[in-house]
Amino acid sequence: QKEVEQNSGPLSVPEGAIASLNCTYSDRGSQSFFWYRQYSGKSPELIMFIYSNGDKEDGRFTAQLNKASQYVSLLIRDSQPSDSATYLCAVNKGDDKIIFGKGTRLHILP
Amino acid sequence: DTEVTQTPKHLVMGMTNKKSLKCEQHMGHRAMYWYKQKAKKPPELMFVYSYEKLSINESVPSRFSPECPNSSLLNLHLHALQPEDSALYLCASSQDKGGGRNEKLFFGSGTQLSVL
Repeated sequence: QKEVEQNSGPLSVPEGAIASLNCTYSDRGSQSFFWYRQYSGKSPELIMFIYSNGDKEDGRFTAQLNKASQYVSLLIRDSQPSDSATYLCAVNKGDDKIIFGKGTRLHILP
Repeated sequence: DTEVTQTPKHLVMGMTNKKSLKCEQHMGHRAMYWYKQKAKKPPELMFVYSYEKLSINESVPSRFSPECPNSSLLNLHLHALQPEDSALYLCASSQDKGGGRNEKLFFGSGTQLSVL
């Protein structure tokens, strides 16, 4: 089992709708969880981080963490064409290694 | 200044060349990282420096040699690379390593390396 798993997509979502991106991780000792956005040809950019079970909201973005199910998700409300990118889930397993999932390609349809 | 600066942006080198990638940050971050990213793949961790000391080496071949001259600078020395080493090399920094919840990564724009 891979350490951090994501559906590679592409996930196509109409403009204005909610995009839902999912991630599972294998190490129960994982402490910190991150979502990075990466545009084609660019470097990853941190958009959300979450440490505790539950929801964390920042503008149009909501990160959700369920440690019992080893599941992290990212919701993007009112999706815009500029949200089209690859979204990378990253996990710090507690050994100071931040490991990335393979990313989900998101395509917002105008 | 919230930037991580990497130079050069592009590098083409032969398998017998020696070159270096450079990374600089002025955010006072104490941890710095090298990641390698191939097209349509996630970043793969190579090295972690914490307080200028190498703390993690992910079994990277010795043809890659990291160096951290001071808390703001990180270098990656390249020698006798193979064509399969062609990739985007990303430098990142964080306030600290994990455990203190200060490990949010800030990435540079990367060096696109081609080995011929």
